[in-house]
Amino acid sequence: DAKTTQPNSMESNEEEPVHLPCNHSTISGTDYIHWYRQLPSQGPEYVIHGLTSNVNNRMASLAIAEDRKSSTLILHRATLRDAAVYYCILRDRAGNQFYFGTGTSLTVIP
Amino acid sequence: GAVVSQHPSWVICKSGTSVKIECRSLDFQATTMFWYRQFPKQSLMLMATSNEGSKATYEQGVEKDKFLINHASLTLSTLTVTSAHPEDSSFYICSARDLNREPQHFGDGTRLSIL
Repeated sequence: DAKTTQPNSMESNEEEPVHLPCNHSTISGTDYIHWYRQLPSQGPEYVIHGLTSNVNNRMASLAIAEDRKSSTLILHRATLRDAAVYYCILRDRAGNQFYFGTGTSLTVIP
Repeated sequence: GAVVSQHPSWVICKSGTSVKIECRSLDFQATTMFWYRQFPKQSLMLMATSNEGSKATYEQGVEKDKFLINHASLTLSTLTVTSAHPEDSSFYICSARDLNREPQHFGDGTRLSIL
């Protein structure tokens, strides 16, 4: 599976937008980009996923670069409950396994 | 609500004990489930892929005789940590996916502490 690179940590002020970057320069044409987040002592929670086009849902937006070598998860208004570790993961459509990287630990400042 | 349920959520037991953790998909059938282990301040590490009605596929470095996986039905997979020792203390997480559908759902994990 192609590898992803994320910053170890980021900070955001409450109620401000947050842009979480992910680099995946070795992504293949059939790899989907998935984002999950994990709160302390909980299992990962699905956030969003996409292939080529930008995606929006009630939780976040996913902006995918035209060459697909990077993507950005956008939280439009950070809340204290958004403090978590965010994982960017690639997976082939036919595949099943998720191989987690180190993720980005997001701190939200009141 | 939760679509993947794990039980127990935490367990403390003596060294040498075998511990069984259950993972259930609540409202869908999962031909494949996955088991992860997570140590403090580290990421999730995939241990094995559990296939209904067949043997599990273990990741490199994971002892199959130590971590027994059974996937007897389309909604239940179990992980048994045999003869557990303190170094097996960890956060164990399962996940499941409805065939060909997204997303993959994760359980809330089982905190295992071996004394």
